Amino acid sequence: EPEVTQTPSHQVTQMGQEVILRCVPISNHLYFYWYRQILGQKVEFLVSFYNNEISEKSEIFDDQFSVERPDGSNFTLKIRSTKLEDSAMYFCASSNQGARTEAFFGQGTRLTVV
Amino acid sequence: RKEVEQDPGPFNVPEGATVAFNCTYSNSASQSFFWYRQDCRKEPKLLMSVYSSGNEDGRFTAQLNRASQYISLLIRDSKLSDSATYLCAVNRGNRDDKIIFGKGTRLHILP
Repeated sequence: EPEVTQTPSHQVTQMGQEVILRCVPISNHLYFYWYRQILGQKVEFLVSFYNNEISEKSEIFDDQFSVERPDGSNFTLKIRSTKLEDSAMYFCASSNQGARTEAFFGQGTRLTVV
Repeated sequence: RKEVEQDPGPFNVPEGATVAFNCTYSNSASQSFFWYRQDCRKEPKLLMSVYSSGNEDGRFTAQLNRASQYISLLIRDSKLSDSATYLCAVNRGNRDDKIIFGKGTRLHILP
């Protein structure tokens, strides 16, 4: 069964450092998403990406965040200068026809900023 | 009013019982509705989509009530493995390209 894969599974970084979280969406999907979940809180939307551009982003997704699809398979989330409050689980998701259809999630990257 | 609201629970239910959750959404233009299941520290996994006509998959039944703006999930003959957090998710429709999640309802099935 096709699945979304994310690497690394756990990343520890020092405050102020840049991190890149990587995702390989399901191969025939065209819509890609990043969500985050702070421990004990809800799954929050960060950004959606279609046709090589951001289609929507939340208030959380400020100038410190960026996304890229550097090749035909990877989808990355970069945080330029991490803060303590960026510590969370980051989930990548993909879907076939945008938010009208189901999104499938990767197993997540746990980011710990120290 | 929050976009997607759920009773956080926990619901403590004996094995074999039937349990139902509701989820309300605020935007009447919402077009797509989903139930996801999330185990502790894991990713949300799609349980089922919710169609206007309702949707049944084995022991799970989902219903949509557009007039009252809520969706429901019914679990029959609950099993220990059903213990998880159940997330309601809604797409606001039109050109909106994101799915918004509720906080989830925690379910504990008791032996």
